[in-house]
Amino acid sequence: QVHLVESGGGVVQPGRSLRLSCAASGFTFSNYAIHWLRQPPGKGLEWVSLISYDGKSQFYADSVKGRFTISRDNSKNTLYLQMNNLRAEDTAVYYCARWAAEGEDNWFDPWGQGTLVVVSS
Amino acid sequence: SYDLTQPPSVSVALGQTARITCGGHDIGTKNVHWYQQKPGQAPVLVIYLDTKRPSGIPDRFSGSNSGNTATLTISGAQAGDEADYSCQVWDSDTGFYVFGSGTKVTVL
Repeated sequence: QVHLVESGGGVVQPGRSLRLSCAASGFTFSNYAIHWLRQPPGKGLEWVSLISYDGKSQFYADSVKGRFTISRDNSKNTLYLQMNNLRAEDTAVYYCARWAAEGEDNWFDPWGQGTLVVVSS
Repeated sequence: SYDLTQPPSVSVALGQTARITCGGHDIGTKNVHWYQQKPGQAPVLVIYLDTKRPSGIPDRFSGSNSGNTATLTISGAQAGDEADYSCQVWDSDTGFYVFGSGTKVTVL
């Protein structure tokens, strides 16, 4: 059974840093690209970042480019999101989700249960 | 940027049919995916590529997509179907992933 478990969330002051982790199990982690997404309180889902199966390619939403860094350790079946210079608008539940694709299109399946990040002074 | 529009809420009587719309310019030319999210839980894929159901998703969930509107249909809605439902497309022109704002489904 595919399982993704996020951790590392918490309360952090604006301008500080935080690193999220996503532990994967139940599938061959090194074969799949993985995403980070987020959902601010009471708002819709937002894609944040994507990393290729081998970690060589990374993609970011404009809202986090230059501040967030996605990485992975395939030997540990773990995905990371290093978040620097955090802002109040980064407050959200952060999810990791596995890449799913067919043809030229792709989507998110499955998702982890999420970890809450609150940026507040 | 590409925008997706969903109604904030939809109500349906127990056992009846709920239709959740997702509007976007020429959305019929794109593939639409739908996610169900219950309070405090992770999103779950219920429809992908407009009409396909992942394994384990009941066949009362179906999807369609044409013109400027994609629709998720729940036939014979059950109390356990109460959730937020979000549509999503991948904009191949920009490489961006776009979500609708979500629709809260209430089963009366």
